[in-house]
Amino acid sequence: AQTVTQSQPEMSVQEAETVTLSCTYDTSESDYYLFWYKQPPSRQMILVIRQEAYKQQNATENRFSVNFQKAAKSFSLKISDSQLGDAAMYFCAYRRKGADGLTFGKGTHLIIQP
Amino acid sequence: DSGVTQTPKHLITATGQRVTLRCSPRSGDLSVYWYQQSLDQGLQFLIQYYNGEERAKGNILERFSAQQFPDLHSELNLSSLELGDSALYFCASTQQGLARETQYFGPGTRLLVL
Repeated sequence: AQTVTQSQPEMSVQEAETVTLSCTYDTSESDYYLFWYKQPPSRQMILVIRQEAYKQQNATENRFSVNFQKAAKSFSLKISDSQLGDAAMYFCAYRRKGADGLTFGKGTHLIIQP
Repeated sequence: DSGVTQTPKHLITATGQRVTLRCSPRSGDLSVYWYQQSLDQGLQFLIQYYNGEERAKGNILERFSAQQFPDLHSELNLSSLELGDSALYFCASTQQGLARETQYFGPGTRLLVL
């Protein structure tokens, strides 16, 4: 079974600084998809960024980028120029190719210090 | 607003009871996913439906069942409720149910079993 591990239960960063959230996963598949979701205090799950395993280029969405290391099965999220609105739980998620749901990590609580 | 709606927002019930949670996917989406978020288990995939048919099963208990109707809305039925079933239940939808598609989450139904 696939597993997703987020080793940082909580991270804190100063506003305008850069922070990196870690995620590792375990799979025997070669084709899969990786996602970062944000869950603010409202509890809404919001997609931040996604990565296809077959793509070598790291995904980027404005201030959010990933470092995807397929061989190491690592998928970290970098948030640049942190803003107060970035404060939330961040979940790393995996989905194998085919009909299946998302497998989530336990989440990292990100605190932004003003 | 993701376009996915869930009712009710909150539900309080007693052990042994049965409840039904409802989800309406985004317009045009054929696939619906159900997830449970609890303190103990984190975010877990329960079940997926595509155009009325069950497509994938996750960690769904035998006391739980779901269905998707011809108008594509879905219902999750939870019976013989236990204290441990208290959780936030999310519905998500995608157009074709493919792994590469982003799952858009509804706001969730918060269930409290007393």
